[in-house]
Amino acid sequence: EAGVAQSPRYKIIEKRQSVAFWCNPISGHATLYWYQQILGQGPKLLIQFQNNGVVDDSQLPKDRFSAERLKGVDSTLKIQPAKLEDSAVYLCASSLKGTESFYEQYFGPGTRLTVT
Amino acid sequence: GDSVTQMEGPVTLSEEAFLTINCTYTATGYPSLFWYVQYPGEGLQLLLKATKADDKGSNKGFEATYRKETTSFHLEKGSVQVSDSAVYFCALKAGGFKTIFGAGTRLFVKA
Repeated sequence: EAGVAQSPRYKIIEKRQSVAFWCNPISGHATLYWYQQILGQGPKLLIQFQNNGVVDDSQLPKDRFSAERLKGVDSTLKIQPAKLEDSAVYLCASSLKGTESFYEQYFGPGTRLTVT
Repeated sequence: GDSVTQMEGPVTLSEEAFLTINCTYTATGYPSLFWYVQYPGEGLQLLLKATKADDKGSNKGFEATYRKETTSFHLEKGSVQVSDSAVYFCALKAGGFKTIFGAGTRLFVKA
């Protein structure tokens, strides 16, 4: 079974530029998550989709971050404009369902973003 | 709000030593508890979980018991190997959708 795919793996941009990350979840997984992991911290949930609907985006900085999940499969996370404090690893994860604790989340390898 | 606190690292051990990584939590209701592991250059992967009080999760020689009375979920392994070197994250999922992660504990195992 193929895992969660993410691209690019690394990205370096200057502040005020824009950037987009792509995620392809495991086939058949209804729930997709985007996390931000700042160096030395645990992952923080940015947004969670159930199919193509948003169920939690309470910690997404909506003035600069946006995400979409068209057709309930792939997802894109965008930052525009980027700030220095956005430097982090952006993790995508998926699970069969999101509402039950016993459904395991599977994580992709992440995209490491450096904003200079 | 819900939170997870785990011991700061790094933890450095010699091969075959006993490992304990402490984790305590604060949550409303009855959360499920997890340990995730992140090997160098890889994504997080679930190591073990427990969904109710007194449950013991185990995998690859690692164990953790859900202690409601002490709100703890400490990770243990009797004999660590060099290949166990990684970052370990304690996490909880209470009512609703969100999983809350601790800050992570880096483990180095020396040969």
